[in-house]
Amino acid sequence: DTGVSQDPRHKITKRGQNVTFRCDPISEHNRLYWYRQTLGQGPEFLTYFQNEAQLEKSRLLSDRFSAERPKGSFSTLEIQRTEQGDSAMYLCASSLGDRGRQEKLFFGSGTQLSVL
Amino acid sequence: EDKVVQSPLSLVVHEGDTVTLNCSYEVTNFRSLLWYKQEKKAPTFLFMLTSSGIEKKSGRLSSILDKKELFSILNITATQTGDSAIYLCAVLNAGGTSYGKLTFGQGTILTVHP
Repeated sequence: DTGVSQDPRHKITKRGQNVTFRCDPISEHNRLYWYRQTLGQGPEFLTYFQNEAQLEKSRLLSDRFSAERPKGSFSTLEIQRTEQGDSAMYLCASSLGDRGRQEKLFFGSGTQLSVL
Repeated sequence: EDKVVQSPLSLVVHEGDTVTLNCSYEVTNFRSLLWYKQEKKAPTFLFMLTSSGIEKKSGRLSSILDKKELFSILNITATQTGDSAIYLCAVLNAGGTSYGKLTFGQGTILTVHP
């Protein structure tokens, strides 16, 4: 296991379609994060999980977005009824989640979503 | 809400120049400040700073944190074209359910010309 992997790398969809992205974190990492990044901006926090529990969701996240981590390993992020404004890079990151350690997030290469 | 502001937003220099990137922050429960470098894909980790006044160094890159004034700087000496990237600053929250959450600045786009 060499790092966080995301699938697909690119996704082109038509407005109104649903899309789902997958993230596989580093195997021993308990925490998993989703971020969104648009051109010229830093990554924007969406949500994160401690094992299978979703601990926080950004207030910016509309009801069309849902994330799951059913067995505390991989996670999926679904966007329903996509809009052109959803076009962005969706980044996944993971960390050990051990309060006794200095946290460091490791990022995947992202899924680039283009909504036409 | 946690906030991170980076400056300048973009910087164009020539190889061999020294650059200083700035990061100021507001965070409810500060734990650490992190610097990442982002080229075309995933942000890659550079430094984690927790204590004021202790400089972290890695080759030509160095960084320092001032917790009293709530800012950090990232220095790159003798820049090379391979340093061209977006440099991201982020603060790590230590409080409650926000523990471990990173809030990023908008990034500084560095372009190094030969």
